[in-house]
Amino acid sequence: SQQGEEDPQALSIQEGENATMNCSYKTSINNLQWYRQNSGRGLVHLILIRSNEREKHSGRLRVTLDTSKKSSSLLITASRAADTASYFCATERTSGSRLTFGEGTQLTVNP
Amino acid sequence: DSGVTQTPKHLITATGQRVTLRCSPRSGDLSVYWYQQSLDQGLQFLIQYYNGEERAKGNILERFSAQQFPDLHSELNLSSLELGDSALYFCASSGGVWGGYGYTFGSGTRLTVV
Repeated sequence: SQQGEEDPQALSIQEGENATMNCSYKTSINNLQWYRQNSGRGLVHLILIRSNEREKHSGRLRVTLDTSKKSSSLLITASRAADTASYFCATERTSGSRLTFGEGTQLTVNP
Repeated sequence: DSGVTQTPKHLITATGQRVTLRCSPRSGDLSVYWYQQSLDQGLQFLIQYYNGEERAKGNILERFSAQQFPDLHSELNLSSLELGDSALYFCASSGGVWGGYGYTFGSGTRLTVV
């Protein structure tokens, strides 16, 4: 079974709006990562947040992590049509263990 | 180009056949991971190798096997193929066995079993 569950499953917004995706997981983790996948293509690593971090920024991306609630959120600000893709959270439970992926959120940004 | 090379990109084969998927990791990465992505199962971890040795095993069927060679490229062998094996197979690599790094994914092999 998947470690992470993402919410919403699908999100449709207008260009320029912000997009927020949430991820919940079940066990303690070493770090949580977010990936983007364009249709049928490989996954691209976006950002990694460690279990002792609460917030991280990278360009238009902002990730938060709440280990007490076992949840994370990914905020994409000022979205663009090119941001249209599926976004996955992935957790690494312990150092060196494999990543376990959530079900993903399909984001559509309308021009 | 992510630096992880997977071949072939597409594969169409009949049930009962055997195929080999190949992956060359990003230069300098010692860990290779194989994932299967299907519509109903999502991204499922299959197996991990680190510097030639099997490191972790996930939901990999007995009909499937993998190995990592001294030059660090890896192969995933799928045999006695069934219709349900149709999926995208991804290889990913990372810099260390101790984790804490993002993965670099290849563009995948789309396997269609007919």
